[in-house]
Amino acid sequence: DIVMTQSPDSLTVSLGERATINCKSSQSVLLSSNSKNFLAWYQQKPGQPPKLLIYWASTRQSGVPDRFSGSGSGTDFTLTISGLQAEDVAVYYCHQYYRAPTFGQGTKVEI
Amino acid sequence: QVRLQESGPGLVKPSQTLSLTCSVSGDSISSGGFFWNWIRQPAGGALEWIGRIDRGGTAKYSPSFQSRVTMSIDTSRDQLSLQLRSVTAADTATYFCARDVAAYFFDSWGQGLLVTVSS
Repeated sequence: DIVMTQSPDSLTVSLGERATINCKSSQSVLLSSNSKNFLAWYQQKPGQPPKLLIYWASTRQSGVPDRFSGSGSGTDFTLTISGLQAEDVAVYYCHQYYRAPTFGQGTKVEI
Repeated sequence: QVRLQESGPGLVKPSQTLSLTCSVSGDSISSGGFFWNWIRQPAGGALEWIGRIDRGGTAKYSPSFQSRVTMSIDTSRDQLSLQLRSVTAADTATYFCARDVAAYFFDSWGQGLLVTVSS
């Protein structure tokens, strides 16, 4: 299995400030033949299912605000929330789909 | 817009079989390019992929569940099913069905169903 490790486990950010979440995979999730990173990010609010935010490491899902952005390649990835809003309080997960799907342990974002 | 809804018993006894159904609406489960997954999440815990099935009924399971899981699909009813045998308290979790795009990322999820394993 590819192990996904997120950091930090939780972070507290002021409204309007930037939140940065890191995700590291135990092996590269970059497919050289098409230069795609098989990495997605999800947001999960209490009592709700996860919601897809980002796929291919940096492509924003339709309808996701542009304050959410993804970056990184190979084994190291970042989800950035620029200008945190109250509705962004949630747990965020990274997910690799290069091999059998695995998820990070989650990062809780609070205000 | 596709919608997924899990159903089944919320309480299962240890050593018995957990059986869940996911009903798909808003789009046909036979639509090309998608796979249908089961994912679970213990309370306060992380997401764990159980397996996926395609519209033809070909399933792929996580090695962690391979020996005791069966998934099936009923395209006439737009439903997929999960059977997990010999459950223990460690199988207590919220179970989600989810659609993935070509065995890649999960773009649609059900609301989830909490299943408790207890006598």
